[in-house]
Amino acid sequence: DAKTTQPNSMESNEEEPVHLPCNHSTISGTDYIHWYRQLPSQGPEYVIHGLTSNVNNRMASLAIAEDRKSSTLILHRATLRDAAVYYCILRDRDDKIIFGKGTRLHILP
Amino acid sequence: NAGVTQTPKFRVLKTGQSMTLLCAQDMNHEYMYWYRQDPGMGLRLIHYSVGEGTTAKGEVPDGYNVSRLKKQNFLLGLESAAPSQTSVYFCASSYSGTRVLGYTFGSGTRLTVV
Repeated sequence: DAKTTQPNSMESNEEEPVHLPCNHSTISGTDYIHWYRQLPSQGPEYVIHGLTSNVNNRMASLAIAEDRKSSTLILHRATLRDAAVYYCILRDRDDKIIFGKGTRLHILP
Repeated sequence: NAGVTQTPKFRVLKTGQSMTLLCAQDMNHEYMYWYRQDPGMGLRLIHYSVGEGTTAKGEVPDGYNVSRLKKQNFLLGLESAAPSQTSVYFCASSYSGTRVLGYTFGSGTRLTVV
């Protein structure tokens, strides 16, 4: 899988939007961009994915740059329960995911 | 619908002992995975399986063996446990064609080797 670069940690205030960046300058045309998050003491959970267009679901939005070299996961209104490690992953194959270290998101009350 | 179930949830082993971690899924997923996570680190893939009777090595396979005799179960074995295998182990499963689908993870097994 191609590499992604994420900040080690970020902070945000409760009830404010959060923008989590991910750089993937070596992305190929067939790579899907996936986001997972891992809440404390839990296994990771799938959040969202996209290929070229921006995507929305009940958990978050995914904004993909026009050149696809970067993307941003958007939590529209952060709550304390959103404090987690967020992983940005490129998927170019079907059989396995290799995780990076992700971004640890701290939510301030 | 239980999803992905891991047993046991906690275990303490002595160096040199053996044990098997069980992962069971009830979603009829073809693919199953074992990851380990050490403190402050991301997940590392140990072994995975793309179907019943198949297994493949991941990033850190040494010291572990796996078996997938039934589609719903994926076993992770430690033949001779070492302190370096102290970790939290996560199992996951997915349908095939996962570039457009997500994984479902279990809640983890915390293993301590003393």
